[in-house]
Amino acid sequence: AQSVTQPDIHITVSEGASLELRCNYSYGATPYLFWYVQSPGQGLQLLLKYFSGDTLVQGIKGFEAEFKRSQSSFNLRKPSVHWSDAAEYFCAVGDNTNAGKSTFGDGTTLTVKP
Amino acid sequence: EAGVTQFPSHSVIEKGQTVTLRCDPISGHDNLYWYRRVMGKEIKFLLHFVKESKQDESGMPNNRFLAERTGGTYSTLKVQPAELEDSGVYFCASSQFWDGHTEAFFGQGTRLTVV
Repeated sequence: AQSVTQPDIHITVSEGASLELRCNYSYGATPYLFWYVQSPGQGLQLLLKYFSGDTLVQGIKGFEAEFKRSQSSFNLRKPSVHWSDAAEYFCAVGDNTNAGKSTFGDGTTLTVKP
Repeated sequence: EAGVTQFPSHSVIEKGQTVTLRCDPISGHDNLYWYRRVMGKEIKFLLHFVKESKQDESGMPNNRFLAERTGGTYSTLKVQPAELEDSGVYFCASSQFWDGHTEAFFGQGTRLTVV
């Protein structure tokens, strides 16, 4: 069965600092990977996705993620965090016959210090 | 274009009562998914509709949950009778295609509190 692990429940960074959120997955085939963000009072917004090709994917809001098959990881990064990035972030792996059916991690809450 | 719309945004009910959640997918999206997040844990898949048919309901927790999508447009998720452990956030998502490359778009969720 597929699974997703986000080891960090809560991360605090200073505004302007770099950010990396970790995600490890377990999946028997080529994974389809997603990062979502949920800001307070908002729905889940897709930040970026990886299906194939270049292992470094660019997303919205200045985020990027790198797929590393050897480490079963798909970590999310941003070079300079803004206060508006404070939110909860979810990594997910999609079923490769039905990408809308995804397995999510527990989420990482990001706090941004001024 | 309107996104996925869910209502109510919040619902507080007593144990044993019935609650119905509604989801309006993006227009033209045949595929509709329900998920829920209980007690701050992971977001879990409940079921998948293709038009009005249940394609996959492997995530439905028990028979107190009934999902419908009459006419293949909006969907409802009824919980009857509600239990305390049903509290959480219920998300709906929709997608145009059912394949391994088309991600789903999520709504804002309905926060259900059972007291």
